[in-house]
Amino acid sequence: DAGVIQSPRHEVTEMGQEVTLRCKPISGHDYLFWYRQTMMRGLELLIYFNNNVPIDDSGMPEDRFSAKMPNASFSTLKIQPSEPRDSAVYFCASSLGDRDGETQYFGPGTRLLVL
Amino acid sequence: AQTVTQSQPEMSVQEAETVTLSCTYDTSESDYYLFWYKQPPSRQMILVIRQEAYKQQNATENRFSVNFQKAAKSFSLKISDSQLGDAAMYFCAYRSGDFGNEKLTFGTGTRLTIIP
Repeated sequence: DAGVIQSPRHEVTEMGQEVTLRCKPISGHDYLFWYRQTMMRGLELLIYFNNNVPIDDSGMPEDRFSAKMPNASFSTLKIQPSEPRDSAVYFCASSLGDRDGETQYFGPGTRLLVL
Repeated sequence: AQTVTQSQPEMSVQEAETVTLSCTYDTSESDYYLFWYKQPPSRQMILVIRQEAYKQQNATENRFSVNFQKAAKSFSLKISDSQLGDAAMYFCAYRSGDFGNEKLTFGTGTRLTIIP
């Protein structure tokens, strides 16, 4: 059974460029989460969706960040324009909610470096 | 807001020995979920164990067990018979029991080193 799939695994870009991160959740999962991990701030939730609808985006740092979930099997996190301080590991996770003890399953992450 | 504190930035243990990682949390809720995740050098976040606050019994998963002290708001992880593959960052996480509040709050992590 495939886990959460993220692409790309690594991304190097220059400041000002648009970056798009992709996620495919585990089939059948209702919830999808985007996290960011940095040394300074640790793991922080950016946004999460329930049944493709954004529920809480209070963690999205600023308007340069946007996330979409056009269908149950795909989500994107876009940064436009990117800045060096956006360099981090971005994780996508999915869950069944209370049908599975509220457990979130994480993808392998995308390591983003903005030069 | 809930907070999760891991007071041990680094721990080390001899292979085959037992180690306990500490986690405390602050909440005014009575219903919630607690988790331990492992992050090896590959960066993948892997669920180790979970505990529902309403359950009195401590969760166990093979060599991993927790000591859940609800009154003390403590949730420590015990790893028995430590193996080299246990070397990783370990994160404690809290999830509210409120319906519709799916947010996980993580601690800052403990880096565990296994000494051969």
